[in-house]
Amino acid sequence: QQQVKQSPQSLIVQKGGISIINCAYENTAFDYFPWYQQFPGKGPALLIAIRPDVSEKKEGRFTISFNKSAKQFSLHIMDSQPGDSATYFCAASMGGNYGGSQGNLIFGKGTKLSVKP
Amino acid sequence: EPEVTQTPSHQVTQMGQEVILRCVPISNHLYFYWYRQILGQKVEFLVSFYNNEISEKSEIFDDQFSVERPDGSNFTLKIRSTKLEDSAMYFCASTSGAWYGYTFGSGTRLTVV
Repeated sequence: QQQVKQSPQSLIVQKGGISIINCAYENTAFDYFPWYQQFPGKGPALLIAIRPDVSEKKEGRFTISFNKSAKQFSLHIMDSQPGDSATYFCAASMGGNYGGSQGNLIFGKGTKLSVKP
Repeated sequence: EPEVTQTPSHQVTQMGQEVILRCVPISNHLYFYWYRQILGQKVEFLVSFYNNEISEKSEIFDDQFSVERPDGSNFTLKIRSTKLEDSAMYFCASTSGAWYGYTFGSGTRLTVV
C-alpha cells in the first residue's frame, strides 16, 4: 500500500518530442505528489508538485496530470531537450506526525530519460 | 538559492567501522531527513527529525543508525558498525513544512570495503 509504481524504466525521446512518465499509487491518504529530477552524482531536485485537489499543474514545459479516481499521476515534458536527459522520480507523501509537517516521501523506482538531438 | 550542504562527498570505510555523515540544512527549515539510494535503485527514506527528536523512521533505520543535531546548524547521521550493504549514496534533505517540497543535498557516497 505504501508503494508508488513508476513506468517506464527508461525512455528515449527525440529533441522536441513529448516525454511522458506515469506513476500509480494505492494509499488514498497520500496528499502530495512531487516529481524530482536527478542528474548523475547529484541529489534529487524538486521539479514540480501537485496536490489531489487539482487535476493538472503546469510550470513551463513541465505538466503534472493527476487522476484521483484512478490513483495515477503523470509527468509530461513538452518540447524535450537534451538538457532534460536525467532520471525522473515520482513520489508521494502524506501529512507528517506533527502539524504542518510533511511525511516522508515514498519514491518510485525512477525513469531514465534520454533526449536525442 | 539556499542549499543543503553535505560532507564529505565520498567516504570509504572498512566494514565494522563507525562513520558520521554531516549535513547543513537550509537555515530556516524545521524538518530534516536522511534518505539513501543504493546504486541504480530508488531513493529510500531512513529517518525524519523535528524539534530535536526523531519523528519517523523506516525499517532500514535500525539500532546501528543514529541522528543528531548537535548545534543550530549541523545534522548528522551516524552508522555505528558499517556493513557492506550500507554502501550507498546518502542524501540529507530539509523543508520548511508541508507542501513546500524538500531540498536535497548532493549526497555522500559511502563505500564500505
